[in-house]
Amino acid sequence: DTGVSQNPRHKITKRGQNVTFRCDPISEHNRLYWYRQTLGQGPEFLTYFQNEAQLEKSRLLSDRFSAERPKGSFSTLEIQRTEQGDSAMYLCASSYRDNPGDTIYFGEGSWLTVV
Amino acid sequence: LAKTTQPISMDSYEGQEVNITCSHNNIATNDYITWYQQFPSQGPRFIIQGYKTKVTNEVASLFIPADRKSSTLSLPRVSLSDTAVYYCLVGEIRAGNMLTFGGGTRLMVKP
Repeated sequence: DTGVSQNPRHKITKRGQNVTFRCDPISEHNRLYWYRQTLGQGPEFLTYFQNEAQLEKSRLLSDRFSAERPKGSFSTLEIQRTEQGDSAMYLCASSYRDNPGDTIYFGEGSWLTVV
Repeated sequence: LAKTTQPISMDSYEGQEVNITCSHNNIATNDYITWYQQFPSQGPRFIIQGYKTKVTNEVASLFIPADRKSSTLSLPRVSLSDTAVYYCLVGEIRAGNMLTFGGGTRLMVKP
């Protein structure tokens, strides 16, 4: 499978704990994005990387959230001191920058439930 | 950012053609129009993308009038498995971060 891979697919954690999600983009895609989606809403942009550089961060990304993309390959999204409001599906996507009308491909998402 | 407006929901029956129209009055010159499909508990799946006129692939057709202020996604002969949320996005894809999802259109296909 050469699509965007995310893990874990589901995570249940207690409030206050830290969680980390991993995303493996499509090979050779140099752009990687993180979105968050809650029930009944469309995905909301969180941040994106071009290679290893984090170029844009949404105001939704509070100080408890940190994303990295070492070496410009896989990425991790860590949420510290989780709150119940963090419960959502976290989507990773990737694209190849130089394609006109570049298409963004999404992974299957990582569901987070904070109890 | 070009804002999009699309119907909240639509119902159809198996075998019918479904047309979902999206308004994007403030579309910019460099903006592309992209449609995604999303099933429950899955990530959005790219359906089709266009800049102007008509685009067709094995899944759908996308009609874009000359002024580009709207677009219509056409799904031929829908089946129950086409029940999903369909999102219309407008943006300069290269910018990546400019992709903004609205609420989408919930399509319900009935037998």
